[in-house]
Amino acid sequence: QSVLTQPPSASGTPGQRVTISCSGSSSNIGINYVYWYQQLPGTAPKLLIYRNNQRPSGVPDRFSGSKSGTSASLAISGLRSEDEADYYCAAWDASLSGGVFGGGTKLTVL
Amino acid sequence: EVQLLESGGGLVQPGGSLRLSCAASGFTFSSYAMSWVRQAPGKGLEWVSAISGSGDSTYYADSVKGRFTISRDNSKNTLYLQMNSLRDEDTAVYYCAKVGDVAVVTTYFDYWGQGTLVTVSS
Repeated sequence: QSVLTQPPSASGTPGQRVTISCSGSSSNIGINYVYWYQQLPGTAPKLLIYRNNQRPSGVPDRFSGSKSGTSASLAISGLRSEDEADYYCAAWDASLSGGVFGGGTKLTVL
Repeated sequence: EVQLLESGGGLVQPGGSLRLSCAASGFTFSSYAMSWVRQAPGKGLEWVSAISGSGDSTYYADSVKGRFTISRDNSKNTLYLQMNSLRDEDTAVYYCAKVGDVAVVTTYFDYWGQGTLVTVSS
């Protein structure tokens, strides 16, 4: 059972907009930044969103992040086949004095 | 170019020990905290441990506390994870990851290694 809760799966057709939620608590998302990672099959995770809503250089603006209270969301617009991957949210947890990840969401592009 | 290269994985019996290394290059190693993150076969990511840039502060997941020790040698630009009393459930790919901000310990990982597989089995 992960500290951060994500839906196990999501799907959409090419061109659609999909959102992935990440629910936490007052000790993690409520007081710390949220980060999002994309993991393509057989590869290491890649930073997608940092500090709730910032995109590293090279990440398309189709990807956006938001945070409200103890929850966060990743939105992907203009869905493309290459977006098919696992997506993870992460945050630092003050109570645990450690990092926590969501269980991951497998995105399928239909 | 930032590079992180893990090594030291392999097959070990339950109760055994293993030391992972992560050789870093392309950045001022001592300025950045580092972490280990693992992924069991077919499962999600699990944060394991973190260490500050100076090495003075360390942090552990409850699942490994008392069994794993994170350390770093800033003169060699290398991160370590000493794993003792290994269990079946420690079987995973272990990634080292660089924190993206200077002088803080967070889950902001801007660079990851390719991972090294640790298999605990008799």
